[in-house]
Amino acid sequence: QVQLVESGGSVVQPGRSLRLSCAASGFTFTNYGMHWVRQAPGKGLEWVAVVWADGSNKYYADSVKGRFTISRDNSQNTLYLQMNSLRAEDTAVYYCARDLYLGSSGELGFWGQGTQVTVSS
Amino acid sequence: QSALTQPPSASGSPGQSVTISCTGTSSDVGGYDYVSWYQQHPGKAPKLLIYEVSKRPSGVPDRFSGSKSGNTASLTVSGLQAEDEAEYYCSSYAGSNNYVFGTGTKVTVL
Repeated sequence: QVQLVESGGSVVQPGRSLRLSCAASGFTFTNYGMHWVRQAPGKGLEWVAVVWADGSNKYYADSVKGRFTISRDNSQNTLYLQMNSLRAEDTAVYYCARDLYLGSSGELGFWGQGTQVTVSS
Repeated sequence: QSALTQPPSASGSPGQSVTISCTGTSSDVGGYDYVSWYQQHPGKAPKLLIYEVSKRPSGVPDRFSGSKSGNTASLTVSGLQAEDEAEYYCSSYAGSNNYVFGTGTKVTVL
């Protein structure tokens, strides 16, 4: 069965960096686009970034563009989110999610359990 | 990219139906048939209920149905059950490889 397991969340000071990981299993990782979605405390979902199946293209929400970098290691079935210049407003649970099917347009069929990132001095 | 607009809350008694709206623009909901709906219980990850406006993934009961008219999409939950009490979010492709979620609707089963 499809499994997505995030890790790397922690408490970090404003301006610092953090890298999240998402270990994927139960499916052919190289066939699917992967996303990061976040949810601030008591707030709604916010799409953060997507990387295509082959890693050739990456796209970001305006709120993180230039600060966050999404990447994937298809040999390790792992998705990453490098977060630099963190701000208090980046505090959220970060979910990794998989496209529902090959070539789908943002239909997120499978989600991890999330990892908490808290930006605070 | 602004969040899609959903009503903050909706409610219904067991067995009744509830419909949730999701209003966007011609640049997102109205421009593409890539509207999805998600259910999220407290402390849990979201679950995909509907994709491409009206399709259900395997395992999702047919009590959940989706539709779209112009810039507004809708999710209808028929035959409400206690376990349907949750937060519901719509989502749409917004062009240029961007995606936007709705503001969320809390559904209460009375």
